[in-house]
Amino acid sequence: GNSVTQMEGPVTLSEEAFLTINCTYTATGYPSLFWYVQYPGEGLQLLLKATKADDKGSNKGFEATYRKETTSFHLEKGSVQVSDSAVYFCALSDWNAGKSTFGDGTTLTVKP
Amino acid sequence: NAGVTQTPKFRVLKTGQSMTLLCAQDMNHEYMYWYRQDPGMGLRLIHYSVGEGTTAKGEVPDGYNVSRLKKQNFLLGLESAAPSQTSVYFCASSFEGGPYEQYFGPGTRLTVT
Repeated sequence: GNSVTQMEGPVTLSEEAFLTINCTYTATGYPSLFWYVQYPGEGLQLLLKATKADDKGSNKGFEATYRKETTSFHLEKGSVQVSDSAVYFCALSDWNAGKSTFGDGTTLTVKP
Repeated sequence: NAGVTQTPKFRVLKTGQSMTLLCAQDMNHEYMYWYRQDPGMGLRLIHYSVGEGTTAKGEVPDGYNVSRLKKQNFLLGLESAAPSQTSVYFCASSFEGGPYEQYFGPGTRLTVT
């Protein structure tokens, strides 16, 4: 079956540091890949997505590239802010079934 | 547009009691989902629906039932609550036809004592 493995957290960074959160996946076929963000006390919201190999998703300074050869979709941001503190989930969707598989989430804390 | 809404936001049940969680979406989405979120376990799919009148089991369906009588609503029922069902429950919806990015509600925090 499908699976998503994320870098374990928590991750603590200073403001303006570079962020990488690793994500690798196992899937049959050609899934779409997503990063979702969850702020405290809220539901998940889509951060960015990529639907085919070599696509780069980007939003709010975050970006991730769909790498089919390494089955990866690592999240990066060049300079994090305190407001980026949240839980980040990597996910893939199965076009055949309309379902998504989520990683366990990575908690990011950014200190001033 | 309210997006995806969930009722109630919080609930405390005693073991053996029953309750229904309501999810509503106003985006005309075909697909709807119920997840539970537990510390260190990410999101686990309970049940989902690919259209009005349809339901299907997800990863952890035991102890839950669902109904999708109207396209905009997806109900999650607990017939006899157990402490193991203490969790945060999220509803989500997506368009039919991919790529199935999901729109989430704010969650319901349920405690079973």
